[in-house]
Amino acid sequence: DVKVTQSSRYLVKRTGEKVFLECVQDMDHENMFWYRQDPGLGLRLIYFSYDVKMKEKGDIPEGYSVSREKKERFSLILESASTNQTSMYLCASRSSLSYEQYFGPGTRLTVT
Amino acid sequence: QQQVKQSPQSLIVQKGGISIINCAYENTAFDYFPWYQQFPGKGPALLIAIRPDVSEKKEGRFTISFNKSAKQFSLHIMDSQPGDSATYFCAAGNAGNNRKLIWGLGTSLAVNP
Repeated sequence: DVKVTQSSRYLVKRTGEKVFLECVQDMDHENMFWYRQDPGLGLRLIYFSYDVKMKEKGDIPEGYSVSREKKERFSLILESASTNQTSMYLCASRSSLSYEQYFGPGTRLTVT
Repeated sequence: QQQVKQSPQSLIVQKGGISIINCAYENTAFDYFPWYQQFPGKGPALLIAIRPDVSEKKEGRFTISFNKSAKQFSLHIMDSQPGDSATYFCAAGNAGNNRKLIWGLGTSLAVNP
């Protein structure tokens, strides 16, 4: 059974804090994604990683960075959290040969 | 610029009725059209997908209808059940763009018992 896990289901941080969101997949997938989901705005791609140490900016990369040191793990970093980054963050992974993305359960981040 | 337009934003259907969600796209290079289903507290999961060489695909109560000339595709849920209440996302993908998916904004479906 395929599995994508995210380190926290709920997270509350203060403005200006550095925030790390972790995602781990057990499917040996080459590609991994970070999205944010906001009501009425759908799924917006923040960053895409097509291989270890390889990344590509998505549609809304400002204020975020990513790290992929190992194939199974993809981290999203908020360098200095702001209130407008309060959102649901979804991680996904995929084989490079397929379109199908497998999602984690999400992390609901609140920045106060 | 939104490349995949999804409607309606929300939908209420009675149990046993037909739920219909529509999507329209602009880029004729898209070659893969999935629908994802998301329950509260969960991530989206692939429900059903279609390629542009067929006009319809059916899996149980779920059917995708695809109209290539109109650049539209739709999800039909027959005999809708309260357990189908979820958010549905359409998307479109292009092999030439690293198979990244372009997402619709989602439809919140509520099926009343």
